[in-house]
Parts: sequence; structure tokens; C-alpha cells
Amino acid sequence: KQEVTQIPAALSVPEGENLVLNCSFTDSAIYNLQWFRQDPGKGLTSLLLIQSSQREQTSGRLNASLDKSSGRSTLYIAASQPGDSATYLCAVDTGRRALTFGSGTRLQVQP
Amino acid sequence: DAGVIQSPRHEVTEMGQEVTLRCKPISGHDYLFWYRQTMMRGLELLIYFNNNVPIDDSGMPEDRFSAKMPNASFSTLKIQPSEPRDSAVYFCASSLDPPSDYEQYFGPGTRLTVT
Repeated sequence: KQEVTQIPAALSVPEGENLVLNCSFTDSAIYNLQWFRQDPGKGLTSLLLIQSSQREQTSGRLNASLDKSSGRSTLYIAASQPGDSATYLCAVDTGRRALTFGSGTRLQVQP
Repeated sequence: DAGVIQSPRHEVTEMGQEVTLRCKPISGHDYLFWYRQTMMRGLELLIYFNNNVPIDDSGMPEDRFSAKMPNASFSTLKIQPSEPRDSAVYFCASSLDPPSDYEQYFGPGTRLTVT
């Protein structure tokens, strides 16, 4: 059974800092990995999707990497802003066509 | 596009009552997913449909839960009878085919409270 772990569970950084969120998964046979953002009381917003054949994806200040063999992904956020404060969720598709989620990293960017 | 639409946004009901949650996926999306989010268990898949047909319902907790997709633009998740442990946020998501190649887009969720 696929298990997805996100470390740290919570992170607080000053504005402007670059940061890395980590995601690990136990079964390397994945089809894709997706990073989401969730604001309090809101739904999930897709940030980046990395196919199993890809190593990384970039969108603006966000860069996500994937290392299937080691079962790891990182989400890099450059020049963090208070508006980046949210919970970030990592999820993998193991071919079941549905996503298995990690428990998330709650990020607070201090102005 | 309006995105995935869910209703109601909030539902408070008493134990034993029937609850029906509704979802309208993004037009043209062939896959529809129902997830549940709780503090204890995080986000979990309940069931998903492909072209209106249920494909995987292994996440449905028990017989009290049922889901239907009568057409490409509408799905329901029903709980009968409801119990306090069903209190959670229920999300609907949709994606293009195949979902492995495309992002899943989530609705705003329905926050269910069963007293």
C-alpha cells in the first residue's frame, strides 16, 4: 500500500527566504506526482504535476523535483511571500487513477 | 470555466438523517473523484467514476455511503443514515482522460457536521 509522508509538518520562515518542502512515498511505481496548495477552509489548488518520466517542473517561483528511485519529491519556493502561507499537499497516482495524499506541510511566511 | 461546483458548501444535520452532497465537474472531464478530508485521516479517496461508470469504490466506508453519476455533468454522494463520525469535508474533483497525464481539479468542498 502506497504511503506518502511530508516533512516538516509545519514551517515558519521570514519573508524573502527560499524554502524546500519534502515529500516521500513508499512505492516508486507511480504515474505522476502532484503538489497542491490548500488555504484554510478552502479547496485544493493544483500547483504542479510531474509525470513519472520527468525530473522537475517549474511554475513561477515554484519548482518541483521528482526522484522516483528514491521515492522523493521536493517543492522549492523561491523568495517566499506572506501570500504563500498555506498548507502544501503532495499526492501520488500509482495507476489507481486516484491520488494518495500526504498529510501536508503547514507553511507560515512572516512579513 | 466555472471549475468544479459543489453544493451545499455547509451542511449540518442530526444523526440518522439522510445527507446528499452534489457535484458538477468541469465540462469535458471524463473522470470524477470523491474524497473526504478529516483531521485524523487526511484526504482519502472514496470513489471515482470514468464516463459516468463507477470504477473504484474501495474507499467507501460502508453501506451507508452511496454515489451515483447519472450523467456527465452531475454526481451525488449520499449518506444514509448519517453518523457523527461522518463529519468531514467532502471534496469532488475531476480530470481529463487519462488522469495520469492531467491534473485533478478540486471543488471548494462540502463541510458536513453530523450532531
